[in-house]
Amino acid sequence: GENVEQHPSTLSVQEGDSAVIKCTYSDSASNYFPWYKQELGKRPQLIIDIRSNVGEKKDQRIAVTLNKTAKHFSLHITETQPEDSAVYFCAADRDDKIIFGKGTRLHILP
Amino acid sequence: DVKVTQSSRYLVKRTGEKVFLECVQDMDHENMFWYRQDPGLGLRLIYFSYDVKMKEKGDIPEGYSVSREKKERFSLILESASTNQTSMYLCAIPSGTGGIGGYTFGSGTRLTVV
Repeated sequence: GENVEQHPSTLSVQEGDSAVIKCTYSDSASNYFPWYKQELGKRPQLIIDIRSNVGEKKDQRIAVTLNKTAKHFSLHITETQPEDSAVYFCAADRDDKIIFGKGTRLHILP
Repeated sequence: DVKVTQSSRYLVKRTGEKVFLECVQDMDHENMFWYRQDPGLGLRLIYFSYDVKMKEKGDIPEGYSVSREKKERFSLILESASTNQTSMYLCAIPSGTGGIGGYTFGSGTRLTVV
């Protein structure tokens, strides 16, 4: 079955710098890759997603890249702000289900 | 706006008790999912359902069962609660159709088994 690995588990970046979170997946049949943000005490919220027929997608300060050959996908946050502090989860679809990575806790340092 | 409602935000139960966690959706969606969330382990799929009366095991079904008697309601059952089932439980439904749009989650139930 699908296995999603996520790195790093914790990431600290200076406010204004960029943050990158990387994921790999195992099932070559996966073709949908969402990213979720979970703020403290709140439910996970979808922030961006990408399908396998696209290599990159951008939404303001957030971008995702996908390398289907290498089974890698990444989340890039530019010009980080304090409100970006949260736990981020990558995920991949598997047979109409979504399998999640273990999460990355992102700290934005003042 | 998609609504997924979990009836309890916090629960404290004793070891050995039978525990019911309820999830209700207002989108008339066939698919519903139960995950548990633990620090450092992410979200792990416990059970899911593709329609009324249907259920499928996820990756960690041991110690759990589910019930889907009505389309809008999906219940997670801990037959005999144990301390290692202390966790955050999240219900989810697909946000869109055709596999696009990810999931919408409920607000979660934080269960403590003592």
